[in-house]
Amino acid sequence: EAGVTQFPSHSVIEKGQTVTLRCDPISGHDNLYWYRRVMGKEIKFLLHFVKESKQDESGMPNNRFLAERTGGTYSTLKVQPAELEDSGVYFCASSNEWRTGELFFGEGSRLTVL
Amino acid sequence: AQSVAQPEDQVNVAEGNPLTVKCTYSVSGNPYLFWYVQYPNRGLQFLLKYITGDNLVKGSYGFEAEFNKSQTSFHLKKPSALVSDSALYFCAVRDLTSGNTPLVFGKGTRLSVIA
Repeated sequence: EAGVTQFPSHSVIEKGQTVTLRCDPISGHDNLYWYRRVMGKEIKFLLHFVKESKQDESGMPNNRFLAERTGGTYSTLKVQPAELEDSGVYFCASSNEWRTGELFFGEGSRLTVL
Repeated sequence: AQSVAQPEDQVNVAEGNPLTVKCTYSVSGNPYLFWYVQYPNRGLQFLLKYITGDNLVKGSYGFEAEFNKSQTSFHLKKPSALVSDSALYFCAVRDLTSGNTPLVFGKGTRLSVIA
């Protein structure tokens, strides 16, 4: 069974540019999560999809971040325009049950904004 | 609001010695607790979880964790450390009685096992 896959693994962009991160969850997992880790800090929750609907987007930092999950399958996280403080590792995770099911994480997308 | 504290940024232990990675949590209701491990250039991998029942939870790779409600702690332990255990360890908590709240992570503890 394929795990959670994320693309790209590393992206280097300049301030003001746009980046789109993609996540393919484990097949059949309705729940998809985005998290972010800034160097040395905790892993912070961004948002949670149940199928194609945003269940909780309380962690999205501002309106420069846009997440979508078309058809309840893969998800994209777009940052436009990127700022220096957006640098970090963006993790995607999926689970089959939001309440007690463990999260399965991808390897992360490292974003560097110069 | 729920939160997790991992008081040590780094833990060093000699191979063969017991290891402990500390975690304390804060929730208003009943906690659901996890440990995850991140090896270099890899995603987070699930180690173990506590929902209810026995306070000592056994997980992958010989790790275990003890839930202590009075001390609000969920320390990760292993009786005999291996060099291959060197990695970044994250504790996480969800408040089971507060609706659809996300899993909240600590900032991680880097474990170095020295041969």
